[in-house]
Amino acid sequence: SQQGEEDPQALSIQEGENATMNCSYKTSINNLQWYRQNSGRGLVHLILIRSNEREKHSGRLRVTLDTSKKSSSLLITASRAADTASYFCATASGAAGNKLTFGGGTRVLVKP
Amino acid sequence: EAQVTQNPRYLITVTGKKLTVTCSQNMNHEYMSWYRQDPGLGLRQIYYSMNVEVTDKGDVPEGYKVSRKEKRNFPLILESPSPNQTSLYFCATHSGYNEQFFGPGTRLTVL
Repeated sequence: SQQGEEDPQALSIQEGENATMNCSYKTSINNLQWYRQNSGRGLVHLILIRSNEREKHSGRLRVTLDTSKKSSSLLITASRAADTASYFCATASGAAGNKLTFGGGTRVLVKP
Repeated sequence: EAQVTQNPRYLITVTGKKLTVTCSQNMNHEYMSWYRQDPGLGLRQIYYSMNVEVTDKGDVPEGYKVSRKEKRNFPLILESPSPNQTSLYFCATHSGYNEQFFGPGTRLTVL
């Protein structure tokens, strides 16, 4: 079963605009991670936020986590055509965060 | 360079013919996992391993086996593949409560 549900499923924006996607989950977590995937290729880790953190930044990425609402958001600022990809949230639980449960993903298209 | 390698990258086979997908990591991580990715279903964990000789089931273990005889290797075995195992498979590794590093994927088609 999917722990994370992502919203929206697809997003189309112009280069330079910001892209925001949301993730909701159901059970308690150790941390929440965001990954990017380009067209059926491998997943690339973007950012990890631990359950005791509320916000984290990495370059043009900003992630928030609200454990009371069991939700997270990923903001990509000043998007570029190269940001076109699918983005997945994944919640880590269990011993050493072994159990990683993915959401269905958000497909982002950045138009030049 | 830190790497997770999978072989083969592409495989077309027939129902019932046993196959193994290999996974190897050079990061000395204790933890390794296998996932499958299907359209509309996202990635689902098949099995994971916490160390040599220690494995456990993920969300969709039916029809799969794994072994962890060496720290760096974590092969996925399909004893009798069926068409519903046609999928894109990823191996991943991590240490502790940290991000996972994914292999490039193996696209399997079972006819």
